[in-house]
Amino acid sequence: DGGITQSPKYLFRKEGQNVTLSCEQNLNHDAMYWYRQDPGQGLRLIYYSQIVNDFQKGDIAEGYSVSREKKESFPLTVTSAQKNPTAFYLCASKGTSGGYEQYFGPGTRLTVT
Amino acid sequence: GEDVEQSLFLSVREGDSSVINCTYTDSSSTYLYWYKQEPGAGLQLLTYIFSNMDMKQDQRLTVLLNKKDKHLSLRIADTQTGDSAIYFCAEVDNNDMRFGAGTRLTVKP
Repeated sequence: DGGITQSPKYLFRKEGQNVTLSCEQNLNHDAMYWYRQDPGQGLRLIYYSQIVNDFQKGDIAEGYSVSREKKESFPLTVTSAQKNPTAFYLCASKGTSGGYEQYFGPGTRLTVT
Repeated sequence: GEDVEQSLFLSVREGDSSVINCTYTDSSSTYLYWYKQEPGAGLQLLTYIFSNMDMKQDQRLTVLLNKKDKHLSLRIADTQTGDSAIYFCAEVDNNDMRFGAGTRLTVKP
């Protein structure tokens, strides 16, 4: 099955710890994205990557870091510098042919206490 | 910058039609999209419309586009309880997508 996966579905951490969220896709898409979703709010772009070994900050990159060493993988690290890390995190990917639509993973709910 | 705007809530009775509205910002957007998000899940692409079209129908879904007013709507005919979800419209901005805040559709039996 082609798709985009995120793991784990639920993640719990103590304040002050860094945590890495996984995102993998086997759609052969070049572009990948990380969004944050808070209750009652839309999606806010954290980081995106148009190609391997390159990525750019989105609207709310502070306190987050990413890497893109492989086309299939775009992990997101939530660092202890992120002031309000508890949220639902969504990863998406986009191909270069056709339209501009992004395809989303199932999301990871991170709770930091 | 300007936002893609949607009303936050809509409640309908099962069997009625639902109309979810969206105002977008970029008149040069070539594609406009509707996504559905069920509780605790990712976004699922529902449908899209090219900017040179006024209407697109796909089974129970009808998308209407008014380019002059930059207004997009999604009509769901014969709404079912399984249609309860958050619906996001999105426009293309610099080759990437800008999303509205989402409309939470509640379908009452």
